[in-house]
Amino acid sequence: DSGVTQTPKHLITATGQRVTLRCSPRSGDLSVYWYQQSLDQGLQFLIQYYNGEERAKGNILERFSAQQFPDLHSELNLSSLELGDSALYFCASSEALGQTYEQYFGPGTRLTVT
Amino acid sequence: DAKTTQPNSMESNEEEPVHLPCNHSTISGTDYIHWYRQLPSQGPEYVIHGLTSNVNNRMASLAIAEDRKSSTLILHRATLRDAAVYYCILRDGSSGSARQLTFGSGTQLTVLP
Repeated sequence: DSGVTQTPKHLITATGQRVTLRCSPRSGDLSVYWYQQSLDQGLQFLIQYYNGEERAKGNILERFSAQQFPDLHSELNLSSLELGDSALYFCASSEALGQTYEQYFGPGTRLTVT
Repeated sequence: DAKTTQPNSMESNEEEPVHLPCNHSTISGTDYIHWYRQLPSQGPEYVIHGLTSNVNNRMASLAIAEDRKSSTLILHRATLRDAAVYYCILRDGSSGSARQLTFGSGTQLTVLP
């Protein structure tokens, strides 16, 4: 158990809909990362937050957004969903910003868009 | 971050050592070598990281070539639970550089009973 929790575990929804994925980082970790894992693209970084502020952006679509709240939990919002958004979404947390700090990953949310 | 090259797959027998290679010929002086693994149906898991010297922890050992252009993750006694995809990742340690992990395709390790 990494200490990172993600809800829900599974989500099935229809095209055009909007969903929210939630992540609670390890106790004391200030940095949260979101990654997407699909069969054709592998594991890809989406976005990072540190202590409530956005710090880095990857290949995140404009239809996707995220935020980190004062209690440090984070939410990833996916809107106007398309079939291609079906994937595993992982949240990871780390203690600080430094590149040597390991990231701890949650169990993921499996999103299926039908 | 600089690119890494790993074999697509490897097999090992249970309770034998496993050496997982990674080539990173364009590594820069500030790049740290990180290894993560992803067990089936789970999120990635940190294994080990190093800069220049060999490193040991409870999970594995990391052997880094003197010129740092390659490294090897060593599992001393493979168990069935070690069957996973192993990712070798370079992370620039200089301030202001990207902090996210850039995953390649990794090595699928199969452990045979």
